[in-house]
Amino acid sequence: SQTIHQWPATLVQPVGSPLSLECTVEGTSNPNLYWYRQAAGRGLQLLFYSVGIGQISSEVPQNLSASRPQDRQFILSSKKLLLSDSGFYLCAWSVGLISNQPQHFGDGTRLSIL
Amino acid sequence: AQKITQTQPGMFVQEKEAVTLDCTYDTSDPSYGLFWYKQPSSGEMIFLIYQGSYDQQNATEGRYSLNFQKARKSANLVISASQLGDSAMYFCAMREGRSSYKLIFGSGTRLLVRP
Repeated sequence: SQTIHQWPATLVQPVGSPLSLECTVEGTSNPNLYWYRQAAGRGLQLLFYSVGIGQISSEVPQNLSASRPQDRQFILSSKKLLLSDSGFYLCAWSVGLISNQPQHFGDGTRLSIL
Repeated sequence: AQKITQTQPGMFVQEKEAVTLDCTYDTSDPSYGLFWYKQPSSGEMIFLIYQGSYDQQNATEGRYSLNFQKARKSANLVISASQLGDSAMYFCAMREGRSSYKLIFGSGTRLLVRP
């Protein structure tokens, strides 16, 4: 069966520091991969998605970036964090372009910027 | 305009009773999909149920059913026989088009099940 791993679970970082969040999927090949951010008490906002190695689409301009160095690995990065980057970050995967297939989420990373 | 609207920020239900969580959507694309997710306090998003725009029947998955009213553009989640473990945030989401990757989420409804 497919599983998705996301780490770290929680992270406290000072303003201006770099960021690297990692997500890996097991049990499937060539998944679509997604990074979402959830502000406190709000719904999810799509940040990036990827349909293949090295292919990244950005939904929201910001100081974050994403990379997909391997088929089942998705990384969210920042060179300099802002206070507004605080939130709950979720990685997700889905199968191809099959419209009725849901996205499956990791457990998330709670990021606090001080 | 909001693509997905969940008008109930919070709801209470008595254990073992049924509850309906509202979701309305806005799209001009004839092909779309509607999803419901559950988010417990631990944070993970759990997929519950899916309804396609061309599906003739309402979707059901165990205690979850979707009351799909296409003309009214509503896709309400019905949870039957509520359990204490159903206490969580519930999100409605939509995918527009046959080949879209993007899920658009509503703001969610917090459900509290009372013993």
